Amino acid sequence: GEEVAQTPKHLVRGEGQKAKLYCAPIKGHSYVFWYQQVLKNEFKFLISFQNENVFDETGMPKERFSAKCLPNSPCSLEIQATKLEDSAVYFCASRVDSNTPKAFFGQGTRLTVV
Amino acid sequence: GQQVMQIPQYQHVQEGEDFTTYCNSSTTLSNIQWYKQRPGGHPVFLIQLVKSGEVKKQKRLTFQFGEAKKNSSLHITATQTTDVGTYFCAGKNTNAGKSTFGDGTTLTVKP
Repeated sequence: GEEVAQTPKHLVRGEGQKAKLYCAPIKGHSYVFWYQQVLKNEFKFLISFQNENVFDETGMPKERFSAKCLPNSPCSLEIQATKLEDSAVYFCASRVDSNTPKAFFGQGTRLTVV
Repeated sequence: GQQVMQIPQYQHVQEGEDFTTYCNSSTTLSNIQWYKQRPGGHPVFLIQLVKSGEVKKQKRLTFQFGEAKKNSSLHITATQTTDVGTYFCAGKNTNAGKSTFGDGTTLTVKP
């Protein structure tokens, strides 16, 4: 369908626990992006993929964050040993290709670290 | 690194008044996109501007890209309550690279 599907909608983790978020891009879209939105407004780019290959990971905190986009599977963003400051809404977006400007965002996953 | 600044942070208007949000980049952009995010929602793509000095209109919304491709604006004529939300600009300095978002302008419209 014409929708980026993110699961779960809400995730609560105790500090130090692992969190894993999933994103199914729109079928046929080759570019996938992850953004972190903290405090309602501030969007921070994390990582982008072209198909299953990392395209740009300059926004990823190296130590605890990892992400994958494997064939025939939803993309995933994993946070090891979560910290309070990881609490945010994580948005995934997909685009058809590099020449198509329109990005479709998922509904987001709200991660709360307590 | 690239910075994208957006002003104002908040704007409260009476229904029927106009609204403008401004976006400024520290570097020259290859393109700029505008998104709208309703409260509790996700960003929805509005438009992309590519050419220097470009102006595009969508009904009551007018988007401009500066001549130097470092600034942009979104103007809404005669706001309606359905216009409420946060408007973000997102600038790219490469065609296939990441977009850097501004901090958004949150618009509230009083009926």
